[in-house]
Amino acid sequence: DIQMTQSPSSLSASVGDRVTITCRTSQTIYNYLDWYQQKPGKAPKVLIYDASSLQSGVPSRFSGSGSGTDFTLTISSLQPEDFATYYCQQSFSTPFTFGGGTKVQIK
Amino acid sequence: QLQLQESGPGLVRTSETLSLTCAVSGGSISDGRQYWGWIRQPPGKGLEWIGNVYHGGNAYYNPSLNGRVSISIDTSKRQSSLRLNSVTAADTAVYYCARGMTTVTANWFDPWGQGTLVTVSS
Repeated sequence: DIQMTQSPSSLSASVGDRVTITCRTSQTIYNYLDWYQQKPGKAPKVLIYDASSLQSGVPSRFSGSGSGTDFTLTISSLQPEDFATYYCQQSFSTPFTFGGGTKVQIK
Repeated sequence: QLQLQESGPGLVRTSETLSLTCAVSGGSISDGRQYWGWIRQPPGKGLEWIGNVYHGGNAYYNPSLNGRVSISIDTSKRQSSLRLNSVTAADTAVYYCARGMTTVTANWFDPWGQGTLVTVSS
């Protein structure tokens, strides 16, 4: 199985801050990396697929980068509605695996 | 717009079989660029991929479930089904179905159903 190491597990930030979350995989997954946002009591929602492709309807303040084994999700200017938990997921090979999640909290 | 809705018992007895269905509405269920996945989330924990079923009926499962899982698709009924047998308390979770999209360079899940909580108890 491909192991996912997501960091940090939590962070506190203020509205307007630039936020970066990283995800490292145990072997190369090329660009088969997706990022999801999950709010309490709700299903996850895809933000980024193919490592850097922005899903339709997702604000442009979200961006993804990286390839191979190291990936980054960046929120350029944190908004109140962005406080949530974020997960990376590799879809290169089965079993698909998720990172442990990053909870973004209000400072 | 494609919508997914999970349904099934909210309580399953230990050692019995968990059965859920995912009703698909508002879009194609037979498009070859898509597949149907199941993902679960124990209370307060992270996401775990259970498996995918593809248009031709081929399915892939998480080995961590030790052969207890089966996923199928019925295009005539516009639904995907999940069966997990010999359940224990460790299988207590919110279960999500999701549509998988695939291209030459990517796979991703969108949209997801709202999820259904299944509790395993004796």
